[in-house]
Amino acid sequence: EVQLVESGGGLVQPGGSLRLSCAASGFTFSSYWMSWVRQAPGKGLEWMAIIKHDGSQKYYVDSVKGRFTISRDNAKNSLYLQMSSLAAEDTAVYYCARGRLGSYSFDYWGQGTLVTVSS
Amino acid sequence: EVMMTQSPATLSVSPGEIATLSCRASQSVSSDFAWYQQKPGQAPRLLIYGASTRAVGIPARFSGSGSGTEFTLTISSLQSEDFAVYYCQQYRYWPPITFGQGTRLEIK
Repeated sequence: EVQLVESGGGLVQPGGSLRLSCAASGFTFSSYWMSWVRQAPGKGLEWMAIIKHDGSQKYYVDSVKGRFTISRDNAKNSLYLQMSSLAAEDTAVYYCARGRLGSYSFDYWGQGTLVTVSS
Repeated sequence: EVMMTQSPATLSVSPGEIATLSCRASQSVSSDFAWYQQKPGQAPRLLIYGASTRAVGIPARFSGSGSGTEFTLTISSLQSEDFAVYYCQQYRYWPPITFGQGTRLEIK
């Protein structure tokens, strides 16, 4: 059974940093592109970043370029999102999502981890 | 950036009836298009990819159509568990991968 389990969310002050993790199981993690998608309270879905299966390519939405870094450790079946210079607008549930093979739709999602940026 | 516009924002339909949801892309995305369902407190679930292919385990009452800039999700014979928020997504031109703003399907 495919499972994605996020962790690392919490309350952080404006300007602070946080590192999210996503533990993957039930599939060959090293074969899949992975993404982070966030959802602000009561709002829609916003794609954040994507990383190639081997980590050699990474892409970001403009609003987080230079502040967020996506990475992965295929030996640990884990995906990460390092977030810095956080602002209130970054408050959201952050989901990790698996890219379907051969496409960039997302066939499996984690349950999400809530990041709250507030003083 | 490809903008995705969903309509209507809210759709009220009675159980057993048909629901038709629409999504328009600001430029052609061919068939690199997906639909998701999200229920309160849950992660999104992939329904349709490639504009018309049902994902694993998705009931046949869900069907997707369209290509280019106009797409439709049809849910026939609505069940109680189908009332949720639905999002469209394009993955033709990225970054960024973009989603629509969502359509809330509610019980009439």
